[in-house]
Amino acid sequence: DGGITQSPKYLFRKEGQNVTLSCEQNLNHDAMYWYRQDPGQGLRLIYYSQIVNDFQKGDIAEGYSVSREKKESFPLTVTSAQKNPTAFYLCASSAALGSGRGYTFGSGTRLTVV
Amino acid sequence: SQQGEEDPQALSIQEGENATMNCSYKTSINNLQWYRQNSGRGLVHLILIRSNEREKHSGRLRVTLDTSKKSSSLLITASRAADTASYFCATDYGNNRLAFGKGNQVVVIP
Repeated sequence: DGGITQSPKYLFRKEGQNVTLSCEQNLNHDAMYWYRQDPGQGLRLIYYSQIVNDFQKGDIAEGYSVSREKKESFPLTVTSAQKNPTAFYLCASSAALGSGRGYTFGSGTRLTVV
Repeated sequence: SQQGEEDPQALSIQEGENATMNCSYKTSINNLQWYRQNSGRGLVHLILIRSNEREKHSGRLRVTLDTSKKSSSLLITASRAADTASYFCATDYGNNRLAFGKGNQVVVIP
């Protein structure tokens, strides 16, 4: 079945560490997105990519980095510069730009700083 | 950036009743979408309504869009315990970027 796989489901980070969250899709979608979800604040866009080897900053990109070397993969690195990284991270994908279709989401990664 | 805002924030109903949620937005949109999120899970796309549409149905879901008032409503008819979730509206303001609201928590009591 087609879908998006996020791993790991739970991740613990020590102060000063960089960690990478994985997102893989087999839907042949062009666009991929990373959102952060905090309690009571809805979803906020971190980065998005419309095609391979291209990505743009979202509303809260500081302290995060991404790459899009393959169409299927869009990993997110949470760097030590992100001062409050504890949150639920959601990856999503969508069909061609402007298709007007909904997003497909992964099951999320819950990151906790210890 | 543009943001959908749902109203009310939390809703508790008996099984079999209807649940209605509203969403407002601030600028012109291409389409508006509704998503469901079960606790600790990803979001699931429910329905999309385009800016030139006024009403859309999908199973027990009915969505309306009033572009003059910049608002939308989601109606779930004959609710079930399995409908317990958070519901988000999301507005497409171009380039297929979505802006999500803060969500409505719906609890359906068996």
